Amino acid sequence: SYELSQPPSVSVSPGQTARITCSGDALPKQFGYWYQQKPGQAPVLVIYKDTERPSGIPERFSGSSSGTTVTLTISGVQAEDEADYYCQSTDSSGTYQVFGIGTKVTVL
Amino acid sequence: QVQLQESGPGLVKPSETLSLTCTVSGGSISNHYWSWIRQPAGKGLEWIGRIYSSGSTNYNPSLKSRVTMSVDTSKNQFSLKLSSLTAADTAMYYCARDRDSSSFFSDCWGQGTLVTVSS
Repeated sequence: SYELSQPPSVSVSPGQTARITCSGDALPKQFGYWYQQKPGQAPVLVIYKDTERPSGIPERFSGSSSGTTVTLTISGVQAEDEADYYCQSTDSSGTYQVFGIGTKVTVL
Repeated sequence: QVQLQESGPGLVKPSETLSLTCTVSGGSISNHYWSWIRQPAGKGLEWIGRIYSSGSTNYNPSLKSRVTMSVDTSKNQFSLKLSSLTAADTAMYYCARDRDSSSFFSDCWGQGTLVTVSS
């Protein structure tokens, strides 16, 4: 089955930049998406179609794509950004949604 | 603003069938895709499957033999049935609206409903 690989944890100091990578063989063909999930809450979409930001999502959240890797960047990290972040894409057919294991971002 | 609300039993017995319903408010269920996603406590997200308002479905191959989804456009609801439950099915179950941008993603989620499988 298709898998997406992302690091289990990332630590960053306030005001610094956090980068979370997600790798998958189908990513050159399929878009990557990112969700933020805070404890006890449902996931929230923060990046779609590799680089697009939904309305209401702060500009410090950005996405990029290169080959088999998509990256979520949080610039000027704030304490409120501490959360789990999941990448998501689909298999090469574009049909079946797959999530990465999630990356816990800790703000030091 | 579309809102989704899951409903169903919080406790089900092993080997039984789970039935959950998602009610959509603030918008029409028609002409959209809708998904179910689950998350065991402390673990990651697992996509269960998707249904279009016409009733066409796609299921996660790992769950396909146990999953049935349906839609009731008159009630603005869609539903999930998961059979032959085991403790491994204990999880928070979310319903979500899917968008198709040549690949699918979920842009609007319900708050989730906790399902425990135990005798």
